[in-house]
Amino acid sequence: QKEVEQNSGPLSVPEGAIASLNCTYSDRGSQSFFWYRQYSGKSPELIMFIYPNGDKEDGRFTAQLNKASQYVSLLIRDSQPSDSATYLCAVKAAGNKLTFGGGTRVLVKP
Amino acid sequence: SAVISQKPSRDICQRGTSLTIQCQVDSQVTMMFWYRQQPGQSLTLIATANQGSEATYESGFVIDKFPISRPNLTFSTLTVSNMSPEDSSIYLCSVGGDTGELFFGEGSRLTVL
Repeated sequence: QKEVEQNSGPLSVPEGAIASLNCTYSDRGSQSFFWYRQYSGKSPELIMFIYPNGDKEDGRFTAQLNKASQYVSLLIRDSQPSDSATYLCAVKAAGNKLTFGGGTRVLVKP
Repeated sequence: SAVISQKPSRDICQRGTSLTIQCQVDSQVTMMFWYRQQPGQSLTLIATANQGSEATYESGFVIDKFPISRPNLTFSTLTVSNMSPEDSSIYLCSVGGDTGELFFGEGSRLTVL
């Protein structure tokens, strides 16, 4: 079983709709959770991080954590064509190592 | 967030040769991390580089293949030795932020023929 798992997609979403992405992790001791966006040919950029004490909203993005079920979700509201990218979930357990999921490719269609 | 510069941004290399990738950060950092992203894949940690000590390698990566230098708190190099086509990847340098996140350089896209 992979440590961090994501559906590879592509997740096709009409412009203006909500894109919903999920990520599951195996280490119950994980303390920090991150979402990165990676455009084709570019390096990953951080868009959200959450600690295990609640959801987090930033503009059109909402990250939710369910510790009991060991999954993290990312909602993108009012999806725009510029949101088309691969979204990487990353999880940090004890220590400094960040483990990445395989990424979900999102396509927002005008 | 730190500004991270990598060189080269891309290169095409011949099988059996070696290439050194440089990573420069605009501030002093304790740890620097080297990741590999193979085509269509996610990021895999190669090693963690601390200044003044040997790098710590992840399972599946060895110093002879990926020697790392960390001469000071703002600079590191990763060498990909005796390259084969399987080493064709993007190599990413990263540093940690205040809340545990990582920030990445632009990446070095390596193609081995």
